[in-house]
Amino acid sequence: GEDVEQSLFLSVREGDSSVINCTYTDSSSTYLYWYKQEPGAGLQLLTYIFSNMDMKQDQRLTVLLNKKDKHLSLRIADTQTGDSAIYFCAESPYSGAGSYQLTFGKGTKLSVIP
Amino acid sequence: KAGVTQTPRYLIKTRGQQVTLSCSPISGHRSVSWYQQTPGQGLQFLFEYFSETQRNKGNFPGRFSGRQFSNSRSEMNVSTLELGDSALYLCASSRDHRGMDEQFFGPGTRLTVL
Repeated sequence: GEDVEQSLFLSVREGDSSVINCTYTDSSSTYLYWYKQEPGAGLQLLTYIFSNMDMKQDQRLTVLLNKKDKHLSLRIADTQTGDSAIYFCAESPYSGAGSYQLTFGKGTKLSVIP
Repeated sequence: KAGVTQTPRYLIKTRGQQVTLSCSPISGHRSVSWYQQTPGQGLQFLFEYFSETQRNKGNFPGRFSGRQFSNSRSEMNVSTLELGDSALYLCASSRDHRGMDEQFFGPGTRLTVL
């Protein structure tokens, strides 16, 4: 089965680093994703990591993947108030016929304290 | 380049009615996926269309249906609305729904069923 787990809340002070964790179950997922959702908005893709990678860095964002433990994390360096949002981890198991569907976690609400 | 557009942005319906939501993908994108977002269940995959064919379907009752037109625009329909259908319905488009093609999300249609 497919199940993506995340903690629901995280609160950090402005300027600190934020680490959002996620566990997934489907080992067939080729890519794993982090999406950001701000109030009243759709989902914005922040970054993704190929399943044969351990780490990916993109400016303030660092993604770490432990494939053995099926654990994914997103680190945001120098967290700003504009980073306050809900962050979703997603896996993309192959569904056949050329189709992949995203399976999302419930989302982690990041609150940044000024 | 225009993003994914969804209309209407807000809808209020009563139980038993039906509703049609529309999604216009980014120009050149041939895959359109639909997701339902609720506080309790989170983001759940509804279905995916590619070149006017439904390529994948999530675990939703037959009251939920969709279609895609030759210009890649997509509609989803919910018949015999229930209170539990109140949700944010998100549409996402990609060039071709493969593992690495980024899915661009629209702002969503917020449906309220009274």
